Order: sequence, then C-alpha cells, then structure tokens
Amino acid sequence: ETGVTQTPRHLVMGMTNKKSLKCEQHLGHNAMYWYKQSAKKPLELMFVYNFKEQTENNSVPSRFSPECPNSSHLFLHLHTLQPEDSALYLCASSQDRAGGTEQFFGPGTRLTVL
Amino acid sequence: AQSVTQPDIHITVSEGASLELRCNYSYGATPYLFWYVQSPGQGLQLLLKYFSGDTLVQGIKGFEAEFKRSQSSFNLRKPSVHWSDAAEYFCAVGRTNTDKLIFGTGTRLQVFP
Repeated sequence: ETGVTQTPRHLVMGMTNKKSLKCEQHLGHNAMYWYKQSAKKPLELMFVYNFKEQTENNSVPSRFSPECPNSSHLFLHLHTLQPEDSALYLCASSQDRAGGTEQFFGPGTRLTVL
Repeated sequence: AQSVTQPDIHITVSEGASLELRCNYSYGATPYLFWYVQSPGQGLQLLLKYFSGDTLVQGIKGFEAEFKRSQSSFNLRKPSVHWSDAAEYFCAVGRTNTDKLIFGTGTRLQVFP
C-alpha cells in the first residue's frame, strides 16, 4: 500500500450504531487530519494530530471521537450520529505542521446515517 | 478571518478548449495558496502551490496558476483541456504559522468531447 488509505470506503449506519473509520498513511508523516466534506460546502477540518497528540478540535460534536495510536494510524469513532452527519470523511497526512506543508489525502469514507 | 471564494460552482468546456478557474482569497499577509483536484470517488490531489517568488506557478497535468496580489487572486489555467480533466477543483489558503488550510467550495468541471 502506498499513500493514504481509508477503510471502509462506504458505510451505512443507523443512528444508534457505533462504528469506526480507519486511516493509515504509508508516507512517514508526523501529522494527520480528519476532514468532513458535505455537498456544496467547503471542506471542514475536524481534528489535527501531530506526533500522536491532538492539536486541534474544530468544535466537533462529541459523537465523533478521534484516536491516534501512532503516527501512521488515525481512527474516527462514531456513535449516535445524526442524518446530517452523512458526508464524505477524508483523512490526510503531512510531513509536519509547518505552514504550507502539502497535505496528502486518502480516498475518503462515504458515510450514510439513516 | 481568512476565506477563499470560488465564484464558479460549475463550468463546462469542450475538449481542447482553454480553461480558467477563479479563486479569490482574503488574508492579511502573503498566504500559501494551493489548488487541489478531486476525481470521482477519490481523495484530493495537489496540482500546484505558491509560497513565494515567481507568481506564475507550474503544476502537474499541464496546469498553471498565477498569483496576483493586487487582485487577491490565484486563478488556475490550462491551455487545452482533456476529457480526463473532468473533476472538482478546490482552491485553498494556508497561513504561515499553522498547518490549517481553508478550502473554497470547489468548482466542478465538465468536459464535452
């Protein structure tokens, strides 16, 4: 595997379910990100991790819970979601947090909440 | 607060025609500017970026962009569009002291044969 991978690619869940999204980067990067992409809206940064430490939480509801066990893996744990949480969730990584560092994106997980 | 505006939601061009996608930003200092492309079912791929120096930046796939400080713009251009260029294009701005990128809402490009 190369680059940034995400699993699953598609997920359908009920509002009472608990599920997790997984992201893995094979680039040796130190920073990882979760974004939410909804139709007709700009990408929304959700969380940033740098060297496994969370450095940013963009006022994300607590029903989204990130986990970063090491610099290569990032999870997004989901529970009691709402239909408006349906979106494409993108993971990205970058070498570091310096301004302007290129972010590499995974293909995303298309989430549908029923 | 910084922001990015992509005024064109959807653009349609014929294959072989020239292309210009508009991007305007609002930021107090010289920003880092990026163009990303997203093909259907894919993540975002970096086309090009501007940090400083020459205001005309060359990217992958034959794209280029020009930074115009006086107009707060960073428009993306390609002289001859290929059918495989059909995708969504995002402009983004970053600050010098953080990794946070602010994205525009994107422009969807459709290419007709």
